[in-house]
Amino acid sequence: KNQVEQSPQSLIILEGKNCTLQCNYTVSPFSNLRWYKQDTGRGPVSLTIMTFSENTKSNGRYTATLDADTKQSSLHITASQLSDSASYICVVSAPHGGYQKVTFGTGTKLQVIP
Amino acid sequence: EAQVTQNPRYLITVTGKKLTVTCSQNMNHEYMSWYRQDPGLGLRQIYYSMNVEVTDKGDVPEGYKVSRKEKRNFPLILESPSPNQTSLYFCASSADKNTEAFFGQGTRLTVV
Repeated sequence: KNQVEQSPQSLIILEGKNCTLQCNYTVSPFSNLRWYKQDTGRGPVSLTIMTFSENTKSNGRYTATLDADTKQSSLHITASQLSDSASYICVVSAPHGGYQKVTFGTGTKLQVIP
Repeated sequence: EAQVTQNPRYLITVTGKKLTVTCSQNMNHEYMSWYRQDPGLGLRQIYYSMNVEVTDKGDVPEGYKVSRKEKRNFPLILESPSPNQTSLYFCASSADKNTEAFFGQGTRLTVV
């Protein structure tokens, strides 16, 4: 069972609307949580990184929140644009020896339509 | 421009024919990793490297080898590719554990 679960699997929204993507994780201990945007056929691009002591981080129209107690994170996209169409991946890192073991969610595929 | 460069971008090969996918980063990052991405499974780590000559297995290392002879390069080697290694491969690098990882553009490998 994947220790990082994302929902919904896919989402279609109208241009200009807001949306929220969810990430629940069971990874423990926890070092940081990242949200990535992946365009089709391209490599993931980092949107936000949060350590356990941070509960919100913004990057333009993207705002990520983190509740380390409930092990939940969300990514809120404001005033969506057609270029927001992509997969959004939640990644949780945990200490593993001298490195960080990373666990990826399977992503939420967002489609923004005119 | 800061980047991670993978080559080739696309590759079709036959079972058993050794191949190498190269990865190079120009950011002087210590950490580098290889991932494969398969539908419905997300990205899974194959191998990672914390520094030159320091490598370790990720979650799915079987059938792969890596080397880190110099900081900027981290090639992925398939000694005897099999059809189940058909996948989309990504290389990534980061300065340290709490900074963003930069991903390459991906290598789509098909083994027939």
